[in-house]
Amino acid sequence: DVKVTQSSRYLVKRTGEKVFLECVQDMDHENMFWYRQDPGLGLRLIYFSYDVKMKEKGDIPEGYSVSREKKERFSLILESASTNQTSMYLCASSFVSDFEFSGANVLTFGAGSRLTVL
Amino acid sequence: DAKTTQPPSMDCAEGRAANLPCNHSTISGNEYVYWYRQIHSQGPQYIIHGLKNNETNEMASLIITEDRKSSTLILPHATLRDTAVYYCIANFGNEKLTFGTGTRLTIIP
Repeated sequence: DVKVTQSSRYLVKRTGEKVFLECVQDMDHENMFWYRQDPGLGLRLIYFSYDVKMKEKGDIPEGYSVSREKKERFSLILESASTNQTSMYLCASSFVSDFEFSGANVLTFGAGSRLTVL
Repeated sequence: DAKTTQPPSMDCAEGRAANLPCNHSTISGNEYVYWYRQIHSQGPQYIIHGLKNNETNEMASLIITEDRKSSTLILPHATLRDTAVYYCIANFGNEKLTFGTGTRLTIIP
């Protein structure tokens, strides 16, 4: 089975701290994504990457950056955490070729990282 | 992505078929319909997708109307483990999937 592993299930940080959220997938997926999920707002895309060292802004990139130095690892960085970044963060990955052959846009998600910023 | 509209919540009796509707009246001809679900405290899970034809897999069936303006996800024999939030997404199949707020399905024993 494809596994997407997020390094921390729960984190508590203070305002102004630099926060790293790590995500690793083990199935050689090209695409990787970071979403955040808040009550009543659904999942919102922060950044995604379709290749090593490549990144694209999603719908809400402000206050975040990302790093993808290796294909299997995609990191989300909060340079200076703020209380409005308290949220559930979800990492996902997918194959490019799934769509080319079948139209499937199958994202595999990690279990999520719940970040609280005090 | 075309906008999708789903009811915020639904109940279904255990063992019955759960029929979850989705409206996507502005869908383009080459946009697929995807369904995902999210069980509490987990990440979303892919269920099924389709373009024009009805589709079935081991998890569910997807019925797309002929004009493609709406679809229905069918869980044929709902169990308590099917209690989740179900997301309907219309997408060209590019990298970005936009998840709305979905339908919260509760299976009643």
